Amino acid sequence: DAMVIQNPRYQVTQFGKPVTLSCSQTLNHNVMYWYQQKSSQAPKLLFHYYDKDFNNEADTPDNFQSRRPNTSFCFLDIRSPGLGDAAMYLCATSRNDRGKDTQYFGPGTRLTVL
Amino acid sequence: GNSVTQMEGPVTLSEEAFLTINCTYTATGYPSLFWYVQYPGEGLQLLLKATKADDKGSNKGFEATYRKETTSFHLEKGSVQVSDSAVYFCARGFGNEKLTFGTGTRLTIIP
Repeated sequence: DAMVIQNPRYQVTQFGKPVTLSCSQTLNHNVMYWYQQKSSQAPKLLFHYYDKDFNNEADTPDNFQSRRPNTSFCFLDIRSPGLGDAAMYLCATSRNDRGKDTQYFGPGTRLTVL
Repeated sequence: GNSVTQMEGPVTLSEEAFLTINCTYTATGYPSLFWYVQYPGEGLQLLLKATKADDKGSNKGFEATYRKETTSFHLEKGSVQVSDSAVYFCARGFGNEKLTFGTGTRLTIIP
């Protein structure tokens, strides 16, 4: 089945220690998104890629970076995690970045910062 | 601004009860509307969608009708099950704007 895969499902890191979360997709979608979700709040969009074009949200901290080396993979790098960065991180994909396009989500990575 | 207003939870129902979770959206243009469901510890799954007025989305016994006149997209199910316990998010997509989510409604079904 075509899907969005996130690894690992659970990640523990130390305060200030860089961490990378990964996402892959078999849907061959053009767009990949990263969301941060805290305590069953609505997901908050951090940034997205349309193909190789990176689109950052204005309020995304510089501490968060992303890489998309190819169509299938996208990474979220947190350069110096703080306690406030503990959250569920969701990757999603869509065929295009039009509002009518359905976004398909992965299972998420729950990040704990010690 | 563009927004989605969703019924606040938590909602607790007995098994086989009728479910309604209200959702209204701002009426700029003709957005697409979505309901996503999030089971504990999981990502969001698309439950259903509608892309134009009077469309009805349906899946797994859930339904929602795109009502332009009331700018609503209420989620309904005739007979809920324990396995429907989850958080439900209404969302609005339009043009090149990012997807706008409601605040989520936590639903608990008791046997």
